[in-house]
Amino acid sequence: DTGVSQDPRHKITKRGQNVTFRCDPISEHNRLYWYRQTLGQGPEFLTYFQNEAQLEKSRLLSDRFSAERPKGSFSTLEIQRTEQGDSAMYLCASSPRTKNNYGYTFGSGTRLTVV
Amino acid sequence: SQKIEQNSEALNIQEGKTATLTCNYTNYSPAYLQWYRQDPGRGPVFLLLIRENEKEKRKERLKVTFDTTLKQSLFHITASQPADSATYLCALDKTSGGSYIPTFGRGTSLIVHP
Repeated sequence: DTGVSQDPRHKITKRGQNVTFRCDPISEHNRLYWYRQTLGQGPEFLTYFQNEAQLEKSRLLSDRFSAERPKGSFSTLEIQRTEQGDSAMYLCASSPRTKNNYGYTFGSGTRLTVV
Repeated sequence: SQKIEQNSEALNIQEGKTATLTCNYTNYSPAYLQWYRQDPGRGPVFLLLIRENEKEKRKERLKVTFDTTLKQSLFHITASQPADSATYLCALDKTSGGSYIPTFGRGTSLIVHP
């Protein structure tokens, strides 16, 4: 296992277009988290899954944002009708179900630029 | 409201010195606190976790202290090297619906000069 993978690394899109990002977590990790990070700020929590169940989604920034994890493995984050304010780094992280001494493992992120 | 505060100003130190970064929090009762390193354009990398009943934890050149009375954690890098230059984030877990949501400070940039 090579860690948490995110695809694509970079995405440039025109305002109004839909975009979808993919995250492949560490295979034995039940929990998967999505974050957004803008320049000079820490990661901002968006949503998380335990297996295929989305347990917290109230922090998704608007109804244009949605996430899925259909089989409890990989996850997708979709942004519909993108706006320039959506430009940011989108990070995915995973962790085992139980609290642990290992922290959260992050992917390298997807850098979104909306023009 | 719950807040995690890290010094927004960059910390500049000379190689070989000890770097000390601060994380203060309010309105949390954390069971543990975590520190991460983040390089430009990359995701955060987990460094250390310290539990509420631990005063101090060490890993190689890293040391973390946790004072739940002061609501503060200090992160030390001894014998610092230019390769230690990065942004360091602290994180606390916020409970939500019985689950733990990691919440991050904005991070402090460390610059180690040769």
